[in-house]
Amino acid sequence: KAGVTQTPRYLIKTRGQQVTLSCSPISGHRSVSWYQQTPGQGLQFLFEYFSETQRNKGNFPGRFSGRQFSNSRSEMNVSTLELGDSALYLCASSFGADREETQYFGPGTRLLVL
Amino acid sequence: QKEVEQNSGPLSVPEGAIASLNCTYSDRGSQSFFWYRQYSGKSPELIMFIYSNGDKEDGRFTAQLNKASQYVSLLIRDSQPSDSATYLCAVSHFNKFYFGSGTKLNVKP
Repeated sequence: KAGVTQTPRYLIKTRGQQVTLSCSPISGHRSVSWYQQTPGQGLQFLFEYFSETQRNKGNFPGRFSGRQFSNSRSEMNVSTLELGDSALYLCASSFGADREETQYFGPGTRLLVL
Repeated sequence: QKEVEQNSGPLSVPEGAIASLNCTYSDRGSQSFFWYRQYSGKSPELIMFIYSNGDKEDGRFTAQLNKASQYVSLLIRDSQPSDSATYLCAVSHFNKFYFGSGTKLNVKP
């Protein structure tokens, strides 16, 4: 079974631009979560989508948004990029049941904002 | 107060020794508990999950959960240099996951 895939793997943008990242979950998984990982802050939860609906949200500004499609693929968008947005963005998928869930991570997209 | 606390380390152990990694969490309603391993520049890789109090063993790894004391631990027996990585503890409550900042483990040959 194929794992979680993320595209692109690397991205360089300048301040003020916007970026869209993509995540394809493991087949059969309906939940996709997004995380930002930086050396100083560790792994921080952005949001979770399940069946095309945002089910959970972390404490990030509105510049960070996402969506999920009917095939469970998800996209994350960051508008008006800031230098501090440079990070590894990880998505993780799971079946989405309420209990005893396990998340599996994709390889991540490394974003550099100049 | 952070949801999940881990000692950042580094924790150094000699090859063949037992490495003990600890994690405490604040939400008593947390339902599921996970240990991930992350090599430098890579994404987290699931090692083990545990849902019930007690021990769960998988090869060289043993996860221990004590809900009354709100801590989770991971024991790595016969540590190998390839175990050198950052270990992330995660807890979940209704599909919302909280990660600790990770403990860096160095296994010296």
